[in-house]
Amino acid sequence: EAQVTQNPRYLITVTGKKLTVTCSQNMNHEYMSWYRQDPGLGLRQIYYSMNVEVTDKGDVPEGYKVSRKEKRNFPLILESPSPNQTSLYFCASSLNTPWVDGYTFGSGTRLTVV
Amino acid sequence: AQSVTQLDSQVPVFEEAPVELRCNYSSSVSVYLFWYVQYPNQGLQLLLKYLSGSTLVESINGFEAEFNKSQTSFHLRKPSVHISDTAEYFCAVRAPGTYKYIFGTGTRLKVLA
Repeated sequence: EAQVTQNPRYLITVTGKKLTVTCSQNMNHEYMSWYRQDPGLGLRQIYYSMNVEVTDKGDVPEGYKVSRKEKRNFPLILESPSPNQTSLYFCASSLNTPWVDGYTFGSGTRLTVV
Repeated sequence: AQSVTQLDSQVPVFEEAPVELRCNYSSSVSVYLFWYVQYPNQGLQLLLKYLSGSTLVESINGFEAEFNKSQTSFHLRKPSVHISDTAEYFCAVRAPGTYKYIFGTGTRLKVLA
C-alpha cells in the first residue's frame, strides 16, 4: 500500500530532551516536507526537501533540523524541545512538486513538551 | 508574498443543505490551487485541484470548486451535504518564486442532523 508512515503517533517529552520523529514513504516521491498544525494557524511548513541531500527552510524552521540521506526517509529532529513546540506534526510527500501532484500525508504525530 | 485566506473558521450547516467554503489567494499570477480535507484524527487528503483548463473542478464525493481569476477566489461548494462531510477543509497554493507550499488556516465544517 502506498503510504507515508510517521512514528511515533503520540509523544510526551520534557524540555531539552532531544527527539526524532521519523517519516518514511514507499512511493519513490521526490519532494518531502514537514508541517506543524496549530489551532487557528492551519498548517505551517517547517522544512522541505526537493531530493536527496537537498533541504530548505519553510516558514517556521527555528528549533528544528531535518536530513534527507535516502529518498524514502525524512526525519524531523528537535535538538532541544521547548513547550512552544507542542503541536501536531505532519509529514507529507509528493511525486515531484506538491503544487502540481498534490501531497500524500502521514497520519500525524502529536507532540507534547512539558 | 502569496497567501491564501480562508475567511470562515467554522461553518455549521444542516444536513442536505448547500454549503460554500471560501478561499481567496493574494497573487495575480497564474496559480495552481488545491483543496484538502482532514477528517477527525486523520491526516489531510487531497480533495480536488485546479491546474489549468476548465475553471470548474469536481471531486468524487460531490464537492466542486470554481477558479475565479478576477475575484482571486477558489471557493468550495457542495449542493447537499451529509453528516460524513463533517471535517476541516484547507485551501493550498504554492508561494510564487519559491519551493514552499502554503495552506490556509482551515474551515471547520460541521454538518448538523
